[in-house]
Amino acid sequence: NAGVTQTPKFQVLKTGQSMTLQCAQDMNHEYMSWYRQDPGMGLRLIHYSVGAGITDQGEVPNGYNVSRSTTEDFPLRLLSAAPSQTSVYFCASSHRDGNEAFFGQGTRLTVV
Amino acid sequence: KQEVTQIPAALSVPEGENLVLNCSFTDSAIYNLQWFRQDPGKGLTSLLLIQSSQREQTSGRLNASLDKSSGRSTLYIAASQPGDSATYLCAVISNDYKLSFGAGTTVTVRA
Repeated sequence: NAGVTQTPKFQVLKTGQSMTLQCAQDMNHEYMSWYRQDPGMGLRLIHYSVGAGITDQGEVPNGYNVSRSTTEDFPLRLLSAAPSQTSVYFCASSHRDGNEAFFGQGTRLTVV
Repeated sequence: KQEVTQIPAALSVPEGENLVLNCSFTDSAIYNLQWFRQDPGKGLTSLLLIQSSQREQTSGRLNASLDKSSGRSTLYIAASQPGDSATYLCAVISNDYKLSFGAGTTVTVRA
């Protein structure tokens, strides 16, 4: 049972480049979400989805795009990377009944 | 907006001492509360989930309590070990299933 899998683990981007962070879960969870973690600021919600075809914005959505075409996958797209998007990104999933959330191992992104 | 605060931000104790980590939240209309552990450079590992109808939850040396009316949760770790050194995060799960996190308490257990 793989749980929540994120790829890549590390990435360096130049300002203005775009990229997609991948997230997949094999637990048939309806709810998936993306967080960023910055020193001293805790984890902040970027975007979330309550099921395939349904997405919504979280606390810090600007500069990011998501889609949810399947239950298993929830990719996060950076449209035009900026140094302010340097962070560690975590994907999470849970059943829609609000029970235990599971997190991936994170993607450490540096924008230069 | 739900605000979650964890005090203290850092804690250093000798091995064998019991740990008490505090989490407070501003909106008592929560769904559940979850405690996580994070090791440096790693992801979040779930420790305990307390449902809003529960007062406490136990797993091995870990015990977490929840007082919704006062907006507080406490994580107790008995007989601490150097392997317990990590950052502990509290997350409040709202009725729309979003998680609001505290900034964490970084624990160092000295051998």
